[in-house]
Order: sequence, then C-alpha cells, then structure tokens
Amino acid sequence: AIQLTQSPSSLSASVGDRVSVTCRASQGLSSALAWYQQRPGKAPKLLISDASNLESGVPSRFSGSGSGTDFTLTISSLQPEDFATYYCQQFNAYPITFGQGTRLEIK
Amino acid sequence: EVQLLESGGGLVQPGESLRLSCAASGFTFSSYAMSWVRQAPGKGLEWVSAISSSAYNTYYADSVKGRFTISRDSSENTLNLQMNSLRAEDTAIYYCVKGGLPDYFDYWGQGTLVTVSS
Repeated sequence: AIQLTQSPSSLSASVGDRVSVTCRASQGLSSALAWYQQRPGKAPKLLISDASNLESGVPSRFSGSGSGTDFTLTISSLQPEDFATYYCQQFNAYPITFGQGTRLEIK
Repeated sequence: EVQLLESGGGLVQPGESLRLSCAASGFTFSSYAMSWVRQAPGKGLEWVSAISSSAYNTYYADSVKGRFTISRDSSENTLNLQMNSLRAEDTAIYYCVKGGLPDYFDYWGQGTLVTVSS
C-alpha cells in the first residue's frame, strides 16, 4: 500500500499567517492527490483535487502544488475558520490511503 | 444539492453483524462510484470499501476483506455495507462518500457511529 506521510503533525499559527503542510508519498502518484479539511465533529470537506485543482466554493487562499511524491497544501492568510485538521489522500492505486493528518491550532 | 444520509449504526457485541445504509440524492447515483470511509474515535481517516457505478467491481481494505460486503441499489439510490464478524477495532464513524474508483471523494455524509463492545 502507498504510504502518505504528512508534516508537521501539528502546527500552531496566528490569524493572517501563511502556512504550509506537506505530504510525501512512498511511491509516485503523478497528480492523484487530494486535500481535505475536517473541523471538529464534522465530516471532511474536499478542498483540492488532482494535487492543485481548487474545488468550487473553496476560498482562493487555499492552494495545492506538487506531483510525483511530494505535495504541499498552502493557506496564504489564515482565517479563524481555517483552524482544523487537514488530510491528504492518494487515489493513484488501491488501497486508497490517507495521510495521518495535520492539526492546525491557534497560537 | 448532493445529500448522503447514513443509517444503521449502533452498539453491537464482538462477532455480531450490522448493516449500514446510505440514501443518496441530488445527483445521478447510478453514474458514480461510491465508497465507505471510517474514522475511529480521535484517529485519522481510513478507506474501507468502494463499488463501481455498475456494481460490477468492488474493492476492500485488507482490514475488512472477507468480513464486509459493499453493495448498491440504483433503483433506490442506496449504498449498503454489510459488516459481519465485527471487532472492537471496527469501532468508528462510518462515512458514505461519493467517488473512489479510485478517485477523490467530493461529497461526504454526516456519518454513522458503529461501536463494537461487550
């Protein structure tokens, strides 16, 4: 199975900060990677598909980049509603796998 | 508006069975692959199973293979997950999700909690 390793596992930041989360795959994915946001007690929400495609309705401060084995989710200017847990997911091959998550907390 | 509404969760003892259902609306159900994803309390996301739009192809995580069966009824826009021989480690919120063949998951239900405990 393809392993996804996110870093950092947790991150403290302030409103207005620029933050990045990385996701490294154990083998090449091309662009078959998605990013999700999960707020406490809620279902995950798709933010980015195909490594860099911003989903409709997702604020433009979110962006995704990368291909192959190294991917990055960037939030350009943190807003209060962005404090949540973020997961990457690969869909290059079965079994579909997720990263372990990155918890973004308010500093 | 796409809606996915899970039902069937609850408390069962180890070794027992449970059947989850998901009622889908707001899209052409018969045209899309569907999946189940679970999340143990305080843990990350784990893909469980996927089924193609025609139901011809099904896929399972190793952790549930041979115990869980995914199915769909396109006449009723319903996705099902039959879970047998349940274990404590199957305790989780189970999400019905659109997509996964393999693909990203663009819509998620609110989840249904399955607790396996004696």
